[in-house]
Amino acid sequence: IVLTQSPGTLSLSPGESAILSCRASQIISSNYFAWYQQKPGQAPRLLMNGASKRATGIPDRFSGSGSRTDFTLTISRLEPEDFAVYYCQQYGSALVTFGGGTKVEIK
Amino acid sequence: QVQLVQSGAEVKKPGSSVKVSCKASGGTFDSNAISWLRQAPGQGLEWMGGIVPIYETSNYAPRFEGRVTMTADKSTNTAYMEVSGLTSEDTAVYYCAREEVSGNYMAGRSAMDVWGRGTMVTVSS
Repeated sequence: IVLTQSPGTLSLSPGESAILSCRASQIISSNYFAWYQQKPGQAPRLLMNGASKRATGIPDRFSGSGSRTDFTLTISRLEPEDFAVYYCQQYGSALVTFGGGTKVEIK
Repeated sequence: QVQLVQSGAEVKKPGSSVKVSCKASGGTFDSNAISWLRQAPGQGLEWMGGIVPIYETSNYAPRFEGRVTMTADKSTNTAYMEVSGLTSEDTAVYYCAREEVSGNYMAGRSAMDVWGRGTMVTVSS
């Protein structure tokens, strides 16, 4: 299953909201969909699983939604530490795949 | 909270093999799968496969089948991944990650909630 993330780069200011999209080439159960955040030089960090469930310690300004082939990660009120690359992932098929990533950068 | 501690950076010649380790610190693997992923410089994440140490089962992404071997030592809570036939395209940071849901018989069935810090493998002549 191919995951296509858009946009490739999002230039925003702190305090603004970010809306990240991930589109799948086939229908995925939302139970098998996740979002990760990765900062330079660091390992990815799990943000959301099951499409809309925040992982432990993730602030509520992060929210996820979507179903079937279209999923969205929304970050409301961007904080300086939120500027990073975000990846979507599906694990509903035999081969786990990731999207190409969306970079959220400071405008 | 368990942490995953990976082995150090490696520099390898083309055609050789590399073995990366991933040790659970502050806990055990329990019945969670350990996935292995890699990230080439400036690129995205690629899942290579995984192992469920308690069941001694492993499964691989098709493109790595036959060239990658994942094993685990339950007595030391350490997982290993060996890649053979290295080429420059294998230059990447290799991560191990614990899958969140326990009890799955195969890897790749859950999100990954604990990650190692990564091991840089450079393949160069």
